Amino acid sequence: GAGVSQSPSNKVTEKGKDVELRCDPISGHTALYWYRQSLGQGLEFLIYFQGNSAPDKSGLPSDRFSAERTGGSVSTLTIQRTQQEDSAVYLCATLADTQYFGPGTRLTVL
Amino acid sequence: DQQVKQNSPSLSVQEGRISILNCDYTNSMFDYFLWYKKYPAEGPTFLISISSIKDKNEDGRFTVFLNKSAKHLSLHIVPSQPGDSAVYFCAASALQGAQKLVFGQGTRLTINP
Repeated sequence: GAGVSQSPSNKVTEKGKDVELRCDPISGHTALYWYRQSLGQGLEFLIYFQGNSAPDKSGLPSDRFSAERTGGSVSTLTIQRTQQEDSAVYLCATLADTQYFGPGTRLTVL
Repeated sequence: DQQVKQNSPSLSVQEGRISILNCDYTNSMFDYFLWYKKYPAEGPTFLISISSIKDKNEDGRFTVFLNKSAKHLSLHIVPSQPGDSAVYFCAASALQGAQKLVFGQGTRLTINP
């Protein structure tokens, strides 16, 4: 596709369950970002992948959060043992001249 | 530690008038600034940017002003149109580009007919 795509668009889960969120980047974009937007808040940086370099994980809020990027393309953000405060919109972006965002995944933890 | 702040959570403007959205930052190392626009259920889309070597950048109805001494930038939209109703995010980078952005909290702009 022409843009960044994310799946699922919505995810409802129970507290304590694990979730996986997927990002399909724009073809050829080597840098990929994950952000989180909690209700009424700005975009909070989580993690950044650039080519084959070690990812910048400085924004991950706890060790329950992890992400990987396979083959420099698709990325998966995993949240283990979800908590209610993890409820947010999770946005993926890739970089060319600027950052291009996907539509996000709205995660609701009950 | 909020390095980029948008102190107005919402703004309401009449169609045809000027909309002014404000953003303040604290990190003097920031040298590149961007505005993104976000509609509901969509990701943010890039609107306009400015490098710290400039104090103004214009693109059609959109103009961004940068005041480095005050660590302040603003986005002017004139004339405002109903389709401009969205959440606007200010972002800043210390890398002369969009590689690592710090975002503000956003301002919800509503254009009234």
